Amino acid sequence: EMYLVESGGGSVQPGRSLRLSCAASGFKFEDFAMHWVRQVPGKGLEWVSGISWNGEDIGYAASVKGRFTISRDNANNVLHLEMNSLRREDTALYYCARDTRERLNSYGMDVWGQGTTVTVSS
Amino acid sequence: SYVLTQPPSVSVAPGETAKISCAGDNFRPKSVHWYQQRPGQAPVLIIYYDSDRLSEKYERFSGSNSGNTATLTITRAEAGDEADYYCHVWDSISDQEIFGGGTRLTVL
Repeated sequence: EMYLVESGGGSVQPGRSLRLSCAASGFKFEDFAMHWVRQVPGKGLEWVSGISWNGEDIGYAASVKGRFTISRDNANNVLHLEMNSLRREDTALYYCARDTRERLNSYGMDVWGQGTTVTVSS
Repeated sequence: SYVLTQPPSVSVAPGETAKISCAGDNFRPKSVHWYQQRPGQAPVLIIYYDSDRLSEKYERFSGSNSGNTATLTITRAEAGDEADYYCHVWDSISDQEIFGGGTRLTVL
């Protein structure tokens, strides 16, 4: 069985930082591109960032570019999202998702975690 | 940035066929993927690369892409199909993954 388990969410003040992690199991992590997707409760899905299988290709949504950094550790099957200069509008449930292919330019995200909640508030 | 437009809601009677559209501004040729999200759950990929099913569990679900509009079709609708449905594409101009705003399917 394939699993993605997110961690690292919490409550933080605007301007502060937070690091999310996603632990993968049940599949060969290094064979797949990975993504972070967020969702404000009651709202739609928003892609945040993606990274290719080897970490060489990375993409960010315009809303987080320059503030968030995605990375992966293939040796330990972990995906990270470093979030700096957090804003109230970053408040959301953050999902980790596996792509169906190894590169960016997604052909669909076929494995999802249950998400970790980030709340940015003073 | 590129925008995908979905109807906010679609209603269907049990046993009938529901169609959910996904339109892009100057819809560029691209592969469209579809997700089902039930309340309180993570999204599930049901159609990828326009019309491929991830599992035969979703054999009542099909996708099409005319080049201007993509459509998710659900035949013989059941109460268990009630969920939010999202379309998704890769926009090569902005190098970003784009999700539609989502459609709430109600089976009356």
